[in-house]
Amino acid sequence: AQKITQTQPGMFVQEKEAVTLDCTYDTSDPSYGLFWYKQPSSGEMIFLIYQGSYDQQNATEGRYSLNFQKARKSANLVISASQLGDSAMYFCAMSGYTDKLIFGTGTRLQVFP
Amino acid sequence: GAVVSQHPSWVICKSGTSVKIECRSLDFQATTMFWYRQFPKQSLMLMATSNEGSKATYEQGVEKDKFLINHASLTLSTLTVTSAHPEDSSFYICSARRTALKPTDTQYFGPGTRLTVL
Repeated sequence: AQKITQTQPGMFVQEKEAVTLDCTYDTSDPSYGLFWYKQPSSGEMIFLIYQGSYDQQNATEGRYSLNFQKARKSANLVISASQLGDSAMYFCAMSGYTDKLIFGTGTRLQVFP
Repeated sequence: GAVVSQHPSWVICKSGTSVKIECRSLDFQATTMFWYRQFPKQSLMLMATSNEGSKATYEQGVEKDKFLINHASLTLSTLTVTSAHPEDSSFYICSARRTALKPTDTQYFGPGTRLTVL
């Protein structure tokens, strides 16, 4: 069975600083994908970044990067130069051979001036 | 690209009535769409997987007769909550995956529908 664990229910970061949101996963599928989504208070789920299990390099998308450590089964999201608009819930998720996208419990990020 | 819309964005209905929620992929074809439910301060829970032209696959514990799903085209899936009750009040959100063979392809989400049953 697949499982995603996010151990940080809430995080605070000052504007312009970097922040790391933790995510560990467990799966027996040899091929899988890891995702991060942002959910602001409006409720929409915004896709941020994707990492494939066979990708050699860590994924990056603008200010977002995914610190993928396969041996440790971790896929941490790093947000550089935080902005006030980054305040939201962040969900880590994974998919494997099945169609299902399994979500973690989320981390609420608060960016303060 | 990869825009998914949902309609309505919010709905209030009386207990016992049925509510239909539409999910559309606007700029891509989606063989597979997914329906999730999210309670306040909780994560998303997958309700069912909707495949174009075939019956939906429901997750354990989800009543298929209560939550009717129809995926009539490559760009539209609908969720109908039949005989809604207050406990069905929740945030319903759909996602769509581009027509592809890889289950690991990205799912793009709609903006969600907030259902309140009085």
